[in-house]
Amino acid sequence: QQKVQQSPESLIVPEGGMASLNCTSSDRNVDYFWWYRQHSGKSPKMLMSIFSNGEKEEGRFTVHLNKASLHTSLHIRDSQPSDSALYLCAASRGHNYAQGLTFGLGTRVSVFP
Amino acid sequence: DPKIIQKPKYLVAVTGSEKILICEQYLGHNAMYWYRQSAKKPLEFMFSYSYQKLMDNQTASSRFQPQSSKKNHLDLQITALKPDDSATYFCASSLLGGLNYAEQFFGPGTRLTVL
Repeated sequence: QQKVQQSPESLIVPEGGMASLNCTSSDRNVDYFWWYRQHSGKSPKMLMSIFSNGEKEEGRFTVHLNKASLHTSLHIRDSQPSDSALYLCAASRGHNYAQGLTFGLGTRVSVFP
Repeated sequence: DPKIIQKPKYLVAVTGSEKILICEQYLGHNAMYWYRQSAKKPLEFMFSYSYQKLMDNQTASSRFQPQSSKKNHLDLQITALKPDDSATYFCASSLLGGLNYAEQFFGPGTRLTVL
């Protein structure tokens, strides 16, 4: 079983709609979550990160974190066709240590006009 | 200009051969990483280096050997290639030592196909 579970596997969203993605870690030692976006044929690029309980908003993107349940969610409002991509959730532990990120399988988002 | 360079972009190899994947970063970062992405599997961490020293290794096979000749350079040597090694290999880097958790920036990747 993957240590980082993402749901749903795929999501179809109308242009202008809201996309909601979920991610949970089964590793109780993680303390930081990352959301990366990967367009087809490209490398992952960091969207947002969070380590405190609560909510963080940047433009059309909002991320939530519940540290007790190790659950994070990413919400994209006013979705655009350019948001169509694979969204990867990753978890890490430790600070200032060159540790690798543990990624989930991702949620593939398709935004149709 | 690309800040993380990976060479080659595409690579085709035969089973049993050996290949080296090149990675250089010009972001002034002090940590570098290798990840592998193949179909139906999550992006998988392999190695991390900082100041040319191995920091973390999650690769069970000794066929994969990182090589760091300079602080901003981390190559990946793969020996006795198998078809299962076919994947896109991403190099990443980050700047450690600040107050915040260090974001990892990914290079464009090398797509390896083993026949």
